[in-house]
Amino acid sequence: QVQLVQSGAEVKKPGSSVKVSCKASGGTFNNYAINWVRQAPGQGLEWMGGIIPILGAAKYAQKLQARVTITADASTNTAYMELRSLRSEDTAVYYCARAHQLLTELDSLKMWGQGTMVTVSS
Amino acid sequence: DIQMTQSPSSLSASVGDRVTITCRASQDISNYLAWFQQKPGKAPKSLIYAASRLHSGVPSKFSGSGSGTDFTLTITSLQPEDFATYYCQQYHSSPPTFGQGTKVEIK
Repeated sequence: QVQLVQSGAEVKKPGSSVKVSCKASGGTFNNYAINWVRQAPGQGLEWMGGIIPILGAAKYAQKLQARVTITADASTNTAYMELRSLRSEDTAVYYCARAHQLLTELDSLKMWGQGTMVTVSS
Repeated sequence: DIQMTQSPSSLSASVGDRVTITCRASQDISNYLAWFQQKPGKAPKSLIYAASRLHSGVPSKFSGSGSGTDFTLTITSLQPEDFATYYCQQYHSSPPTFGQGTKVEIK
């Protein structure tokens, strides 16, 4: 059974960058889309973007496109999400989530990482 | 972007009750609709995909229905572990979008 394990909590200053990792263990990784979803405190879920590791090209939410980069390292079964020019409103829990179907860019999400809390504060 | 609207935003129910949550899409999404359960401080858990198909390991007390723009999630015989927030999500068109959530609380 695939498990997604994310990196630990981060505290960042406004204007800096953060890079969160998501490592898959126990199953196939490279042929499934890995999505990133964030949740601000007390708020709902927001899709940020996704990538199919074996294909390499990422897609992004328009409002974040200028500040976010999603990559994947197929050799280590790890996906990364980097967010730049951090603002206080980027304070949130960031989740990675794997798609349900093989090689399907836009798909339901089947399994989730445990989440990474990113706090942006001066 | 496709807007997803859930109703109600919250509801109170008793153990053993049957509850129904509605999700409406701002345009036709066929059956590209998923449901998630989230408990406080935890990652979402995937329940349903393709509007009505249960992910493996999800108990049959959860069921989904609908197509086009109107969808429902039904939970029968509510148990203490079912009290949580439930989200719908469309994956018909990019960007995938979520409903605002429905909090199911103990009466």
